[in-house]
Formats: sequence, C-alpha cells, structure tokens
Amino acid sequence: QVQLVQSGAEVRKPGASVKVSCKASEYTFTTYDINWVRQATGQGLEWMGWMNPNSGHTGFAQKFQGRVSMTRNTSINTAYMELASLTSEDTAVYYCATVPPAALNQFDSWGQGTQVTVSS
Amino acid sequence: QSALTQPASVSGPPGQSITISCTGTSSDVGFYNLVSWYQQHPGKAPKLMIYEVSRRPSGVSNRFSGSKSGNTASLTISGLQAEDEADYYCCSYAGSFNLVIFGGGTKVTVL
Repeated sequence: QVQLVQSGAEVRKPGASVKVSCKASEYTFTTYDINWVRQATGQGLEWMGWMNPNSGHTGFAQKFQGRVSMTRNTSINTAYMELASLTSEDTAVYYCATVPPAALNQFDSWGQGTQVTVSS
Repeated sequence: QSALTQPASVSGPPGQSITISCTGTSSDVGFYNLVSWYQQHPGKAPKLMIYEVSRRPSGVSNRFSGSKSGNTASLTISGLQAEDEADYYCCSYAGSFNLVIFGGGTKVTVL
C-alpha cells in the first residue's frame, strides 16, 4: 500500500518561496512518477507538474514554468516541490500523488495535503 | 489551456443512477483515451475512481463506470448511496504543453 506523507502547514509572506516535501514508503520510490496538484479553498484541482524520481526529469504546467522546481532525494525516498515569488493566489492545499509508469494522468495514491498560506 | 467543463452540481435519490459530464476539446478529451475521474470528500485528498476512460482501480465499486463520446467523457454512478455524496473531478491528458487538465468539479448530492 503506497503511502505518501507530506510536510506540515506553512505560512509565507508575498514574494517568498515555499518548499513542500512528500515522503514515500511501502513501494520502490523510483518506480512511480510524482506529480503535484494544488487546490485553493473552495476551488477545483489544478495540476502543477511531474517529476521522475529515477532520472530527475521534470515537466511543468505552463502557468508555473520559471517559478516552480521539483526535486528528490532518493536516499530518503522524498520528493520536494518548491514554489517561488509567492502571491496570495498561491494560498492553497498542495498535494503530491503517484502516477504509474507511462500512465500520465492516473493519480493513484495521494498525500494528505499541505496547506500553504501566503499573507502579509 | 482551459479547464474541462463539468456541471456544478448533480443530485439524485438513493438507488438512482446519475451521470456527470466532462466536456473538453479535440486536443484533450477527444484526442486521448486518457480521462480519469476523482472523488473528493470534504477535507480529504482526492481518490482515483476511473482511469483510461473506463477502467476501475482495484477496490472501487462497480457502481462507478466511465465512458467517452467525442469530446465529452462521462462518469455514471448507479445505485446512488449516501456515501457517494462528494465532489467529483474529471481529468484529461492534454499533450505536450500543459500535459494534464482538470474539470472544475461537480458536487453530487444524495437527496
């Protein structure tokens, strides 16, 4: 049973950056891609991008290009998503999710979510 | 890339069947057989219910089924139960630039 445990809630000021972690267990970390999806309060889901933990290759939604990075530390089975130049519109719950090889949009296991609040 | 279009809400009494539509374009839903559906209860993470248009993950009730015609995908819930009350999101692969797009979500209410 895949488990993804995310880091705790964060509060940042506008213009700052935030880094959210996603620790994987109960499967081979390099087997599944990790995707990140966010959800503003009362709003829908928004896909941010993906990372292959084996190669480190990434791909991002056009909206976030230049402002987001996705990295990993394979020695501790942890993926990271860092978002820079935060504004109030980035206030949301951020989820990591696994995707099987070549499955593209089959988000089959999810982390519990991390609340990021951007406020002056 | 615009979000996929879903009705804001759908409702039905217990035991009835309901269908949620998800309309995209010939560049996403209509081009790829890569539509997935997610159920989300309040305060919880989404749960995969359908992938590749009509495939069900292990453990998902066979009351949930998916289909696609042209640029519109659909999720049908048969034998509606109280526990099915939740938000449902469709999702499609959209090609090389924005890869994945979601619908705006549909709130399902069991009357």
